[in-house]
Amino acid sequence: AQSVTQLDSQVPVFEEAPVELRCNYSSSVSVYLFWYVQYPNQGLQLLLKYLSGSTLVKGINGFEAEFNKSQTSFHLRKPSVHISDTAEYFCAVSPFSGYSTLTFGKGTMLLVSP
Amino acid sequence: DVKVTQSSRYLVKRTGEKVFLECVQDMDHENMFWYRQDPGLGLRLIYFSYDVKMKEKGDIPEGYSVSREKKERFSLILESASTNQTSMYLCASSFTKSNQPQHFGDGTRLSIL
Repeated sequence: AQSVTQLDSQVPVFEEAPVELRCNYSSSVSVYLFWYVQYPNQGLQLLLKYLSGSTLVKGINGFEAEFNKSQTSFHLRKPSVHISDTAEYFCAVSPFSGYSTLTFGKGTMLLVSP
Repeated sequence: DVKVTQSSRYLVKRTGEKVFLECVQDMDHENMFWYRQDPGLGLRLIYFSYDVKMKEKGDIPEGYSVSREKKERFSLILESASTNQTSMYLCASSFTKSNQPQHFGDGTRLSIL
């Protein structure tokens, strides 16, 4: 079984400041890692994914994430946020084998103010 | 672009009613999923299907059933709606391999009165 922990339920930040959203996971098997974003009144949209290879992955809208196997973390970062980045962000994992189900964290609400 | 379409954005039903939520995808995905999303709890998997007429329970299947008669369509059924099933329901689809991302619909906000 897998579990995902997003320690921060809300992260307030000023526009143009850097931000890091934290994600830690636990799994007895190897997993793929994903970050999704949910804008108000919409479904989830894929930001980025880590499958293999370089541990630093780049996604859409200037976001990037770094996979750290020893710390079982997959933190999401952006060097300079915009008002339009205000949304809820979900970290998720999927096991290498078996059914391709996702286990989600509880989400982090990013609040960007001017 | 992948399109996952949920039949209703908002739905209001009464306790005890049988409720159907419909989801259609247009990318020939083998897998389809139903989640419910509640504040502070994130997304929880209700049921998923990996092929036509095949289904598997997720983490919270109690009070729900599903139907997949055609590859592109996946229905969630609340057999006898209760107030604790008031929630946002999200449908998703994906290809079989677990390294493939899931694509989500815009959700149905269901209120049970």
